[in-house]
Amino acid sequence: KQEVTQIPAALSVPEGENLVLNCSFTDSAIYNLQWFRQDPGKGLTSLLLIQSSQREQTSGRLNASLDKSSGRSTLYIAASQPGDSATYLCAVRISSGSARQLTFGSGTQLTVLP
Amino acid sequence: EAQVTQNPRYLITVTGKKLTVTCSQNMNHEYMSWYRQDPGLGLRQIYYSMNVEVTDKGDVPEGYKVSRKEKRNFPLILESPSPNQTSLYFCASSLGAGANVLTFGAGSRLTVL
Repeated sequence: KQEVTQIPAALSVPEGENLVLNCSFTDSAIYNLQWFRQDPGKGLTSLLLIQSSQREQTSGRLNASLDKSSGRSTLYIAASQPGDSATYLCAVRISSGSARQLTFGSGTQLTVLP
Repeated sequence: EAQVTQNPRYLITVTGKKLTVTCSQNMNHEYMSWYRQDPGLGLRQIYYSMNVEVTDKGDVPEGYKVSRKEKRNFPLILESPSPNQTSLYFCASSLGAGANVLTFGAGSRLTVL
């Protein structure tokens, strides 16, 4: 069974810093991996989707990488801002059997201090 | 505006009183899914639907029912709610089941006393 782990559970950084959030998964046979952002009291917003054949995706100040062989993905946030404060979740979709289910990590709660 | 709409957003109920959480999307998405989010456990899938009249169990389907009679709607039914179903529930949809980005609703916080 696929397990997704995000460490650390919480992270606090000063504004302007570049930072990396980590996501690891146990089964490398994934279909794709998606990073989400969750703000308190709100739903999840998709940030980046990386297909299994891709190594990275970029959107603005965000860059997500994928290393299937080692079971890892990272989300790089450049020049962090207080508005980036949120919980960041990664989710993997398996490629064998049902390609319809996502397994989520528990998230990293990011606080960017002004 | 393209969105997934859930209702109610907040609900307090008592054990055994049947309730339905509605979910509607206006993007003509084929795939819809329900998740629950609990502290320390992350999001877990309850049920999903590949298309109209096609539903399947996720990781934690016990105590829940769903139906997909129309493409846009995917209600979550708790026939006899219990306190362990107190949770934050999310509905999500995507164009297809595989490579597509999931769009989430704002969430429904349910408390069962």
